[in-house]
Amino acid sequence: EPEVTQTPSHQVTQMGQEVILRCVPISNHLYFYWYRQILGQKVEFLVSFYNNEISEKSEIFDDQFSVERPDGSNFTLKIRSTKLEDSAMYFCASSEERTGEKMGHFGNGTRLTVT
Amino acid sequence: GESVGLHLPTLSVQEGDNSIINCAYSNSASDYFIWYKQESGKGPQFIIDIRSNMDKRQGQRVTVLLNKTVKHLSLQIAATQPGDSAVYFCAENRGSGGSNYKLTFGKGTLLTVNP
Repeated sequence: EPEVTQTPSHQVTQMGQEVILRCVPISNHLYFYWYRQILGQKVEFLVSFYNNEISEKSEIFDDQFSVERPDGSNFTLKIRSTKLEDSAMYFCASSEERTGEKMGHFGNGTRLTVT
Repeated sequence: GESVGLHLPTLSVQEGDNSIINCAYSNSASDYFIWYKQESGKGPQFIIDIRSNMDKRQGQRVTVLLNKTVKHLSLQIAATQPGDSAVYFCAENRGSGGSNYKLTFGKGTLLTVNP
């Protein structure tokens, strides 16, 4: 079964540094998402992306965050100047159907540790 | 305020028993719900979904019940197996409409299956 893949699985960075988290969504999917999960807490929506632009974003997704689909296969999340509180698991997800139903295709996440 | 929450943070069952995991939501406008399973070190895995125009949906060993009157959602797992041990999240769609999905997750219930 096709999978959403994310790299790296674990990223350690110093506060103030830029990080780029990478995702390869399922190939025929059109909608892409980033979520994050701080340890022991809920999974939180960050941003959705369709047709090469952001569809919706949460209050967490401030101007330190950006997303990009640089080519036909990758979908990236960039954090320009990381803060300690950015430490979390970051999950990429994608969906195929126009209605987004059965939006169950999450990657296994990138654990970001900011020191 | 608006929230998606779970009644019980942990549930322990014997192998072979049926499990019921509950979820309450407060946004009566929510029209789509998903149950996810999350195993340690992995991303959320889609289990089953239900739209608000239904009150029951069945999958393989799983059933989701939706009671819109009391804004309650439940996941029933039949003949629970050790491999079912995981954290289970309910999520509701609060997207801006159309085909854009912005899932709001509950805190999760840890299901432990004892052999």
